[in-house]
Amino acid sequence: ELKVEQNPLFLSMQEGKNYTIYCNYSTTSDRLYWYRQDPGKSLESLFVLLSNGAVKQEGRLMASLDTKARLSTLHITAAVHDLSATYFCAVDIVGSNYKLTFGKGTLLTVNP
Amino acid sequence: GAVVSQHPSWVICKSGTSVKIECRSLDFQATTMFWYRQFPKQSLMLMATSNEGSKATYEQGVEKDKFLINHASLTLSTLTVTSAHPEDSSFYICSAITTGGLYFGEGSWLTVV
Repeated sequence: ELKVEQNPLFLSMQEGKNYTIYCNYSTTSDRLYWYRQDPGKSLESLFVLLSNGAVKQEGRLMASLDTKARLSTLHITAAVHDLSATYFCAVDIVGSNYKLTFGKGTLLTVNP
Repeated sequence: GAVVSQHPSWVICKSGTSVKIECRSLDFQATTMFWYRQFPKQSLMLMATSNEGSKATYEQGVEKDKFLINHASLTLSTLTVTSAHPEDSSFYICSAITTGGLYFGEGSWLTVV
């Protein structure tokens, strides 16, 4: 059974600070996803990471993947209030054809 | 990107009644769609995989007779919650596969009173 663990589950940070969210998964995966969810809304796709060493950046967010360690990170640089949301990582098992298992999510609050 | 639309966005129904939620791929054909459920302040849990023209595949612990899934066309999958109870109140989200990847619908809020 695939397990996906995120930490921290709650993150309160000040504007301008940097922080990293970690996502560990328990078995070989085809793809690693990061999503953002605002309250009452569906998921917004942030990144899809496909291979070992993959790094993607969009604005103040950067995601990386280490398939050997089964670890992905989502790094936040110089946080701003607009980044406040819940962030989920998700993984699909090799050959499962996009059937995702989600982490529990990280509730990020960026304070002025 | 591809668009996946859900309807209704929110629905309130009485306990014991059935309610249907639609998931449509608006600009592509999807042979496979997924249905997830999300309780407040929790993560998404996969309920079932919906396959066009065949029976849905349900995850362990999901009652197939309670959560009826029909994928009768390449652009529409429906989830019917039968004999709904307050504990079925949740956010239901579908996703669909395209050649370009995986896309999620906007979600449907179900409140059973």
